[in-house]
Amino acid sequence: NAGVTQTPKFRVLKTGQSMTLLCAQDMNHEYMYWYRQDPGMGLRLIHYSVGEGTTAKGEVPDGYNVSRLKKQNFLLGLESAAPSQTSVYFCASRPDPISYEQYFGPGTRLTVT
Amino acid sequence: DAKTTQPPSMDCAEGRAANLPCNHSTISGNEYVYWYRQIHSQGPQYIIHGLKNNETNEMASLIITEDRKSSTLILPHATLRDTAVYYCIVRVATGGFKTIFGAGTRLFVKA
Repeated sequence: NAGVTQTPKFRVLKTGQSMTLLCAQDMNHEYMYWYRQDPGMGLRLIHYSVGEGTTAKGEVPDGYNVSRLKKQNFLLGLESAAPSQTSVYFCASRPDPISYEQYFGPGTRLTVT
Repeated sequence: DAKTTQPPSMDCAEGRAANLPCNHSTISGNEYVYWYRQIHSQGPQYIIHGLKNNETNEMASLIITEDRKSSTLILPHATLRDTAVYYCIVRVATGGFKTIFGAGTRLFVKA
């Protein structure tokens, strides 16, 4: 049982490049989330999903797209990376609407030059 | 979800109790208080949650005031490994599928 895993752990992009961050969970959780954390700040919700095939916008969705084609995977895409998207990205999952605990991945450190 | 206010940083001596306060004066009757922590650059970790009664688990205790407008997370015997950012979050338990983390309190445990 690996919990929540994120790929890659580190990445450096040039402005305008695209990439996809992968989040995978093996706990059969319904809910999945993508957050970003900038230096010295708390986590801000980008997008989330309440089940396979569903996605919704969070607090800071602009510049990102997501997909949840399979229940265990939640993908975060950057179509045209900007320096303002330099951040640490965390994925999280939660079993169901009643569960009180979110399980977080180890994070992906992204730098856009 | 109700907004929370926490001090930006606190110090605590190793072996002593760490008391982390949180104000949530606009909390609704169906909203729970949750605490998470983030050690260095790792993903946040769930600690404890409660509605109106005090709660205790193997990690910490949660004291919620009678009017529910504030709460305190207590780490009874802080260790150096408890140095982290602690987040207080208020949200409904069911259907509250978004958790928005604020800036939290940075706790420094000193030897």
